Amino acid sequence: GESVGLHLPTLSVQEGDNSIINCAYSNSASDYFIWYKQESGKGPQFIIDIRSNMDKRQGQRVTVLLNKTVKHLSLQIAATQPGDSAVYFCAELNAGNNRKLIWGLGTSLAVNP
Amino acid sequence: EAEVAQSPRYKITEKSQAVAFWCDPISGHATLYWYRQILGQGPELLVQFQDESVVDDSQLPKDRFSAERLKGVDSTLKIQPAELGDSAMYLCASSFQSPGTREYFGPGTRLLVL
Repeated sequence: GESVGLHLPTLSVQEGDNSIINCAYSNSASDYFIWYKQESGKGPQFIIDIRSNMDKRQGQRVTVLLNKTVKHLSLQIAATQPGDSAVYFCAELNAGNNRKLIWGLGTSLAVNP
Repeated sequence: EAEVAQSPRYKITEKSQAVAFWCDPISGHATLYWYRQILGQGPELLVQFQDESVVDDSQLPKDRFSAERLKGVDSTLKIQPAELGDSAMYLCASSFQSPGTREYFGPGTRLLVL
């Protein structure tokens, strides 16, 4: 399954399938990007990050792809499990003197057993 | 793995009352952040500390909110007086270095203002 994470849509996938969560970022000068997972009632949990000098980075069951040409970031989760059900946020580190993370609205991932 | 501690986890208060939240970052983390998160939205940065100094408080409603990190370790965020619109999750995070490195989040304090 695949979705664009700008308006907190819900992405529903079957257990065992691969998930793709998309994010369009705003600033072409941003040089650091990060994905967080947030379960209900908990603080965000780091998943993976990537710097702008890379276009792909892999972790355990997760891959982040960065396309700077179209300012697009995606998170791929392999063999999605029920424990992956959460809201996923992408964030970009803005350039300039006041560097801080700018967060997207999030995408809700629901994994069906 | 070391964690960011926050207390209380839940707080219910009446409008016009004062509330305070406490955060203890991961040991050795110089940068501390306070965020506010409305349900369904991404966290919004309220204030960022580098050691004991405020680096960014541009989004902090200073007429009612205050934050301090006196010894450069733990931090307190205060709201006085609380308003109905302050109901939200208040998250504390810390990082080893300045922005551009991973932020570690605490469990948050859920505030309900009645």
